[in-house]
Amino acid sequence: DAGVTQSPTHLIKTRGQHVTLRCSPISGHKSVSWYQQVLGQGPQFIFQYYEKEERGRGNFPDRFSARQFPNYSSELNVNALLLGDSALYLCASSRDRGRFRNTEAFFGQGTRLTVV
Amino acid sequence: DQQVKQNSPSLSVQEGRISILNCDYTNSMFDYFLWYKKYPAEGPTFLISISSIKDKNEDGRFTVFLNKSAKHLSLHIVPSQPGDSAVYFCAAKHRVDNYGQNFVFGPGTRLSVLP
Repeated sequence: DAGVTQSPTHLIKTRGQHVTLRCSPISGHKSVSWYQQVLGQGPQFIFQYYEKEERGRGNFPDRFSARQFPNYSSELNVNALLLGDSALYLCASSRDRGRFRNTEAFFGQGTRLTVV
Repeated sequence: DQQVKQNSPSLSVQEGRISILNCDYTNSMFDYFLWYKKYPAEGPTFLISISSIKDKNEDGRFTVFLNKSAKHLSLHIVPSQPGDSAVYFCAAKHRVDNYGQNFVFGPGTRLSVLP
């Protein structure tokens, strides 16, 4: 079975532009979450979507938005890019064990975004 | 305010010996803990997890220990293999995170297993 797939793998954008990153979860997974990993730090939670609705949001500005489609794939959008948005953006999916049941997340390989 | 800490940025261990990676947390509301391994140019790979109702969980060469009173967990790898060389992240989930995917990650520890 295919794992979590993300596209593109690398991207270079100019300050002020916007970017759209895409993620396909593991087949059968209904939950998708997005993380930002800056060099030398651990991943930081941005959003979680479950059944196409936002279920969690991290401490990121409104320039960051996301959505989940009926096939459970997801997009992360970032507007008005800043140099500080340069990072590895990770998408993760998880099995549906229902609310209040702990389960691990499976990560994609990430999209390396460089803002110049 | 770093809620999950991994105070050792790096660790070197001889092949065949035990690797012990440590993690401390400050939030007593965390109820689920995970360890991930990350190779360069790849996403994190799940290794093992533990619920706060347990104090130990084993999976093959990997064992995680949880000491709730000390707010400390550790990952033991026995025996260590050169392929274990990677960055290891400790992560935690808050009790009120009902959908369970808002993980708080530590900064990571780079493990080098020497042949």
